[in-house]
Amino acid sequence: NAGVTQTPKFRVLKTGQSMTLLCAQDMNHEYMYWYRQDPGMGLRLIHYSVGEGTTAKGEVPDGYNVSRLKKQNFLLGLESAAPSQTSVYFCASSYSSWDEQFFGPGTRLTVL
Amino acid sequence: DAKTTQPNSMESNEEEPVHLPCNHSTISGTDYIHWYRQLPSQGPEYVIHGLTSNVNNRMASLAIAEDRKSSTLILHRATLRDAAVYYCILRVTSGSRLTFGEGTQLTVNP
Repeated sequence: NAGVTQTPKFRVLKTGQSMTLLCAQDMNHEYMYWYRQDPGMGLRLIHYSVGEGTTAKGEVPDGYNVSRLKKQNFLLGLESAAPSQTSVYFCASSYSSWDEQFFGPGTRLTVL
Repeated sequence: DAKTTQPNSMESNEEEPVHLPCNHSTISGTDYIHWYRQLPSQGPEYVIHGLTSNVNNRMASLAIAEDRKSSTLILHRATLRDAAVYYCILRVTSGSRLTFGEGTQLTVNP
C-alpha cells in the first residue's frame, strides 16, 4: 500500500503559468481533500470531494479548480498562478466524512 | 466552527510523559475532539480522537474534561520522533472539514 501519493514533490512557476497537481490514493477511499499550508500556519482546506465525479469548495477555493474523474485520483489545477499561491499543498483521503484523514507528503510550490 | 486554543510551544525530555493541553470552551455537543500531528517536512498524521470518554491507543491517550471545555493529549514516554506540531481540532459528527489552528510545537530534548 502506497497510501496517498502526490506528484510533483516540488515545482517552480512563473506568474500566470498553469499547472496541475496530482493526488492518488490506493485505499479505496470515497473522500479526498486538498489543503494548503503557508509558513508557520495550520492547513486550510481548498476543495474536497465526497466521491467520484463530485467536488465542493472549502475554506480558500479562489484561484483553484479540481476534478475527480476517477475514485483514486484528485487533481488540483492552477489556471493562472500568482505569488500568493506559493505554499505547500497537501492532499488527503478518508473512507468517510468522520474517519481519520490520511495525508500525502506534500508538494512545495513556488510562484515567482 | 468552534475554536481551539493551544500553547504555541512546549518542551519535554526524552522518555518522560508529555501533557499537551487544548481549550475548547465553545465546543458543542456534537463536536468530536481530534488530534493530529505533523512531523517536520511531512503531512499531518492522525493521533487520536474522542467525544466524551477518555481514549487510549498505541500512540497516545486523550483525557477529556467532564464539561468537555478542555482536553489533554498524553504521550506516555516521549521519544525524539515525537517532536512535531500537534493540532487539536474540533470536528462535527458529519463534517468532512478539518480546521487546523497553529498547533503546539513540541520539542523533545535528549
